[in-house]
Amino acid sequence: DGGITQSPKYLFRKEGQNVTLSCEQNLNHDAMYWYRQDPGQGLRLIYYSQIVNDFQKGDIAEGYSVSREKKESFPLTVTSAQKNPTAFYLCASSINLGGVENEQFFGPGTRLTVL
Amino acid sequence: AQTVTQSQPEMSVQEAETVTLSCTYDTSESDYYLFWYKQPPSRQMILVIRQEAYKQQNATENRFSVNFQKAAKSFSLKISDSQLGDAAMYFCAYRNHPYNNNDMRFGAGTRLTVKP
Repeated sequence: DGGITQSPKYLFRKEGQNVTLSCEQNLNHDAMYWYRQDPGQGLRLIYYSQIVNDFQKGDIAEGYSVSREKKESFPLTVTSAQKNPTAFYLCASSINLGGVENEQFFGPGTRLTVL
Repeated sequence: AQTVTQSQPEMSVQEAETVTLSCTYDTSESDYYLFWYKQPPSRQMILVIRQEAYKQQNATENRFSVNFQKAAKSFSLKISDSQLGDAAMYFCAYRNHPYNNNDMRFGAGTRLTVKP
């Protein structure tokens, strides 16, 4: 089955530690995205990548880093510089062509809790 | 920057009844796209319905339909014959550039409860 997988579903880390969230897709999509979701707020874009070996900052990139070495994978690292990392993180992908048909498909998300 | 506002943090509906979720947005663009996403308790985001701004006809997908009022910058979602499985968070989203899928703006969401 084609889709997007994120692991782990729940992640606990101590304050000051870096942590990497996994995102893999087998949809053959060019574009991938990372969003952060907080209670009472909509999704906010952290980083996105339109093609392998290229990525751009979104609205709230500070304290985060990404890599895009393979088309299928777009891992997100939450660094110790991120002041409030506890949140729900969603990964998405899209074909990266124009038009309304180019919807974003979302993974199941990872809940990160920093203790 | 474009903003999306969902003024109803929570809504409830009786099973089999109809409910309307509100969404307004702010933009100076004339061509853009609007979406409603559903996020059930599993937290998997699912696209419910989409609307292209240049189309005057309101989009419909089975029990889901929209009321798109371009001049008023309003994009409400109507759910008819509500089912227990419709219970979820619903997010309104806006995208203005036809070739830039990165510029997606989400509202804060409306939590819909369906009462049996």
